[in-house]
Amino acid sequence: GAGVSQSPSNKVTEKGKDVELRCDPISGHTALYWYRQSLGQGLEFLIYFQGNSAPDKSGLPSDRFSAERTGGSVSTLTIQRTQQEDSAVYLCASSLGDLAGAYNEQFFGPGTRLTVL
Amino acid sequence: TQLLEQSPQFLSIQEGENLTVYCNSSSVFSSLQWYRQEPGEGPVLLVTVVTGGEVKKLKRLTFQFGDARKDSSLHITAAQPGDTGLYLCAGAPDSNYQLIWGAGTKLIIKP
Repeated sequence: GAGVSQSPSNKVTEKGKDVELRCDPISGHTALYWYRQSLGQGLEFLIYFQGNSAPDKSGLPSDRFSAERTGGSVSTLTIQRTQQEDSAVYLCASSLGDLAGAYNEQFFGPGTRLTVL
Repeated sequence: TQLLEQSPQFLSIQEGENLTVYCNSSSVFSSLQWYRQEPGEGPVLLVTVVTGGEVKKLKRLTFQFGDARKDSSLHITAAQPGDTGLYLCAGAPDSNYQLIWGAGTKLIIKP
């Protein structure tokens, strides 16, 4: 079956421009996560969607970052007025969420590499 | 705030050597997962440990969950160049579906 897909795989933009990153989770997964990863580093949590509940936005670094998840499936992460420090790999993951119990494996997409010039 | 401290941050060893990566916390987790990430890809789950004291083996990789479910280790025997990657531990708090992530261990195995 299809895994988590993300697009674009690479995005180069100029400082001050807005960007949209897309994530298509695994069908049936109720939970969706966005992370940011700097080169060779660990994962920085950004935002978490679980079913129809209000998203947990506690990881968003500034109000320039926003995300939405339409119809409980596809999600878009938007970064407005991009800055050079936004350059990173943005990873999306999905999981069974509240169906998984203790075995809440997250399935990751390949990421979008964002470069802000 | 729950934290998961992972060590070492970076490890470069010769093929055939053994190594251990540690994940420690002062908090209890209902389960703990280990992921491996290769360049240009997202992390992929290696194992989930749930029971205190549990030991799981995956070929040359041995994973252990501490008795108190606060810490975990990953031991690799006779490391191979194919083991090269970023290893991440992630703990699940009791009833939360989010994961608390360690900072990762970058492992390089030289032929």
